[in-house]
Amino acid sequence: AQKITQTQPGMFVQEKEAVTLDCTYDTSDPSYGLFWYKQPSSGEMIFLIYQGSYDQQNATEGRYSLNFQKARKSANLVISASQLGDSAMYFCAMRDLSGGYQKVTFGIGTKLQVIP
Amino acid sequence: SQTIHQWPATLVQPVGSPLSLECTVEGTSNPNLYWYRQAAGRGLQLLFYSVGIGQISSEVPQNLSASRPQDRQFILSSKKLLLSDSGFYLCAWSASGGKNIQYFGAGTRLSVL
Repeated sequence: AQKITQTQPGMFVQEKEAVTLDCTYDTSDPSYGLFWYKQPSSGEMIFLIYQGSYDQQNATEGRYSLNFQKARKSANLVISASQLGDSAMYFCAMRDLSGGYQKVTFGIGTKLQVIP
Repeated sequence: SQTIHQWPATLVQPVGSPLSLECTVEGTSNPNLYWYRQAAGRGLQLLFYSVGIGQISSEVPQNLSASRPQDRQFILSSKKLLLSDSGFYLCAWSASGGKNIQYFGAGTRLSVL
């Protein structure tokens, strides 16, 4: 089974609107971490937000929030008040114990386009 | 604050030529270091990681090798490049222990012709 699943190859959102990017994960490790990264066309991977499996509250960082639903194994990224500069690829990732060490696995990404 | 430098930004190499990509981290000690490859339109594939000087673990058997000659230096090499080595290579670091949040360099676009 895929460890990280991002089912939306591409998404469009109107400027100033909110958008949700979906991510589901699969792990049997009770202690894990979830991340979202942004990759603009320049290629650099930019860390956005982190959620630990034991964190009681959803993580927030400015306009980014992570909708963590543990029972459903989902970790959706919500971007509020979209800006043109938000247009990029977005990757969900998970850290868990794999092969004897803490490994980070990335999804295949979602391309977000913000429309003026 | 911590910064990560990766170079060169772009590289065009003929098949069979050697490769050396370098990555250095500033502002931290004993970081975990990683090399990833990203094929066009795909996610990241972990190639190598290192938890200390001279300690390299390989995730995928391939034509590439990695070395960590100094605490904050990570080098990706090949003796003879293949066409299939083309891609976008990213170096990353994370602090030892804790959340393992990885911070990435700007990447190197490698074209093997």
